[in-house]
This record gives sequence, C-alpha cells and structure tokens, in this order.
Amino acid sequence: AQKVTQAQTEISVVEKEDVTLDCVYETRDTTYYLFWYKQPPSGELVFLIRRNSFDEQNEISGRYSWNFQKSTSSFNFTITASQVVDSAVYFCALSGDSGAGSYQLTFGKGTKLSVIP
Amino acid sequence: DSGVTQTPKHLITATGQRVTLRCSPRSGDLSVYWYQQSLDQGLQFLIQYYNGEERAKGNILERFSAQQFPDLHSELNLSSLELGDSALYFCASSARLAGYNEQFFGPGTRLTVL
Repeated sequence: AQKVTQAQTEISVVEKEDVTLDCVYETRDTTYYLFWYKQPPSGELVFLIRRNSFDEQNEISGRYSWNFQKSTSSFNFTITASQVVDSAVYFCALSGDSGAGSYQLTFGKGTKLSVIP
Repeated sequence: DSGVTQTPKHLITATGQRVTLRCSPRSGDLSVYWYQQSLDQGLQFLIQYYNGEERAKGNILERFSAQQFPDLHSELNLSSLELGDSALYFCASSARLAGYNEQFFGPGTRLTVL
C-alpha cells in the first residue's frame, strides 16, 4: 500500500521568511510519481509540480523549489521569501500503477501554511 | 482555471436522500477521477473512469456509484445519504492512463447533509 506522511500539520511564518514543507512517502512500486498541490482558502486544488521516481533532479520555479531524495523517500517543498498569497493548505501526493493502468493519487493529510504580514 | 467543471458548487440535502454530482473533464481528457475530502479522512480516492469504463475503485461506499458518458462527462451518485457523507467532492481529469499525467481538479461540490 502507498502512504504519504506530512508531519507538519500547521506552520506559521512571517512574510519574507523561507519555509520548507516536508513530505515522506512509502511505496513498493519501482516507478512512481510525486506531486504537490495547493489548496487556497477558496477550496480548489491547484497542481504545482510532478516528479518521476527516476528523476532525482531538484527543481526550482520562481520562489518555489523541490528537493526529491529517493534515499530518504522524501519530496520536500521550499518557498523562498514567502508572501501572504502563499497562505494555503499544501498537499503532497503519490501515484503508481495500482493495476489496470489506474494512477489514483494517495494524498498526505496536508500542511496548512499561514504567512503573516 | 483548470478547465474541469463541476456542478453544483454547493448542495444541501437531508439524510436518506439521493444526489447526483456532475463533472466535465478538460477538453480531450479521457480519464476522470473522483475524490472525497472530509475533515476526518482527508482526501481520498473514490473511483476512476477511463473513456467510459470503470478502471479502479478506492474507498467508495456501496451507496455511491458513478458513470462516465460517451461525451466523457461523469456523474457521481450518492444515495441513502448520511450525516457523515458531508464533504467536498472533487473530480479530476487527466489525458491518458499514465502516471506522469498530472490530474487537474475541478472546483469541487460541497455537500452538506442535514
């Protein structure tokens, strides 16, 4: 069975601080995919990034960066110079072929980030 | 805007009733997933359809059913509703049956059972 753990339930930072959201996963699949989604107060789920299990390159997109380490089964997300608009719940998710070509997402419980002005 | 639409946005009903939630995937996407988000269970996968056929089932109750129509829109039917069914129901779509295809989520339907 697949499992995603986001140990940080809530984090508060002051605007312009850097913040890292942790994600640890468990899977028996040799090929799998990791995702981060953002859920702002309005409620929709916004796709942020996908990472394949065979690609351990870190990625940077503007103020966002992701650190994928297969050795520790972690896929952490860092926001640099946080802004109030970053306040949201962030979900880490995992998918692998569960059979019949289905790639449903297994989500962590989410981390609620509050950026204080 | 993800391109996935869901109706209605809000639904308030009573225990024992039946409701239907509707989802239209992004143009060209063949795969539709349904998820339930509740305070105690978090985000959970319910069921997936691909090009009209059921592909996978997750933690979906027997009181719940779904289908995908020839025009690729999908409906999730919830019957004999209980208070615990109150949740946010998301539909997501992806292009193909491949793990590298990210799923794009609709705005959700918030169901309240009184």
